[in-house]
Amino acid sequence: EPEVTQTPSHQVTQMGQEVILRCVPISNHLYFYWYRQILGQKVEFLVSFYNNEISEKSEIFDDQFSVERPDGSNFTLKIRSTKLEDSAMYFCASSEGQRSYNEQFFGPGTRLTVL
Amino acid sequence: RKEVEQDPGPFNVPEGATVAFNCTYSNSASQSFFWYRQDCRKEPKLLMSVYSSGNEDGRFTAQLNRASQYISLLIRDSKLSDSATYLCVVTISGGYNKLIFGAGTRLAVHP
Repeated sequence: EPEVTQTPSHQVTQMGQEVILRCVPISNHLYFYWYRQILGQKVEFLVSFYNNEISEKSEIFDDQFSVERPDGSNFTLKIRSTKLEDSAMYFCASSEGQRSYNEQFFGPGTRLTVL
Repeated sequence: RKEVEQDPGPFNVPEGATVAFNCTYSNSASQSFFWYRQDCRKEPKLLMSVYSSGNEDGRFTAQLNRASQYISLLIRDSKLSDSATYLCVVTISGGYNKLIFGAGTRLAVHP
């Protein structure tokens, strides 16, 4: 069964460093998303992406964040200068379409720890 | 006011019990409704969509009351493997299908 994959599974970084989280969406999917979940809190939407453009972003997704689809398979989330409060689980998701009946399939997540 | 509110639990029930979870949402423009399941430190996985007429999938029954902005999930004949956090999720009309999650209700099924 096709699945979304994410690397690394765990990333530890120093405050102020740049990190890039990588995702490989399901191959025939066209819509991509990043969510995050701070430990013990709810899953929060960060950004949606289609046709090499951001469709929607949340207030969390400030200038420190960027997304890119550098090739035909990868979808990346970059945090330019990490803060302690960026420590969270980051989930990538993809869907075939953008209708509500198009299920979003989630990757296993990358746990980011900022020291 | 939170966009999606759930009782955090935990609900501790014996195997075979019936358990019900409730959820309310604040945005009347909410368009689609789902229950997701999340195991500890894992990704959310879609359990079922929720339709206005109510729908059932095996031991799971979901109900939606748009007038009260209320969603429910009923689990019958609980299994040990049902132990997880159940997330109430909505999308907003015109919102590019972003998922808005509740904080989840934790269920622990014991022998």
